Amino acid sequence: AQKVTQAQTEISVVEKEDVTLDCVYETRDTTYYLFWYKQPPSGELVFLIRRNSFDEQNEISGRYSWNFQKSTSSFNFTITASQVVDSAVYFCALMGSNYKLTFGKGTLLTVNP
Amino acid sequence: GAVVSQHPSRVICKSGTSVKIECRSLDFQATTMFWYRQFPKQSLMLMATSNEGSKATYEQGVEKDKFLINHASLTLSTLTVTSAHPEDSSFYICSAPTYRGTETQYFGPGTRLLVL
Repeated sequence: AQKVTQAQTEISVVEKEDVTLDCVYETRDTTYYLFWYKQPPSGELVFLIRRNSFDEQNEISGRYSWNFQKSTSSFNFTITASQVVDSAVYFCALMGSNYKLTFGKGTLLTVNP
Repeated sequence: GAVVSQHPSRVICKSGTSVKIECRSLDFQATTMFWYRQFPKQSLMLMATSNEGSKATYEQGVEKDKFLINHASLTLSTLTVTSAHPEDSSFYICSAPTYRGTETQYFGPGTRLLVL
């Protein structure tokens, strides 16, 4: 069985602060994919990143960065210099060999001006 | 890039009526599509896997007679909520996996269903 845990239910920061969203996963698959999605109030899921299980390189995209640690089954997401527009619910998800996505419960990020 | 569309984006209906939601892959073929449901302030939960040319497979606890799925073609899957009740009010999202250099999933924009 697959499981994704996002321990932080809500996070509130002040603009320009850095914030890290945690994600821990469990799977028996040897090949799997990890995702982060952003869900603004409109509801549409915005794809942020996909990482496969064989690629542990960390990735940076603008103010976003991801830290994949296979040894600890974690795939954390950091937003540097947060902005009000970053306010949303962020989901971490795991896709195994059956293509089914298992989502974490999400973290509501509020960035205050 | 790949796009998945859903129609309608929002629907309000009376209790007891049936509602059909369409999910289309616009620039790729999808032999498999997934239907998720999201209640307010909760996560997305997989309801069922839609398979082109065969029956859908449902997750535990999802009533197949209530949520009818038809994968009519390689680009279209429909979810029909039969005899909808207020507790079926939710956000329904479909997704389709594809291979674009690597395995990935594309999500539709979702359908908000409100049953009065």
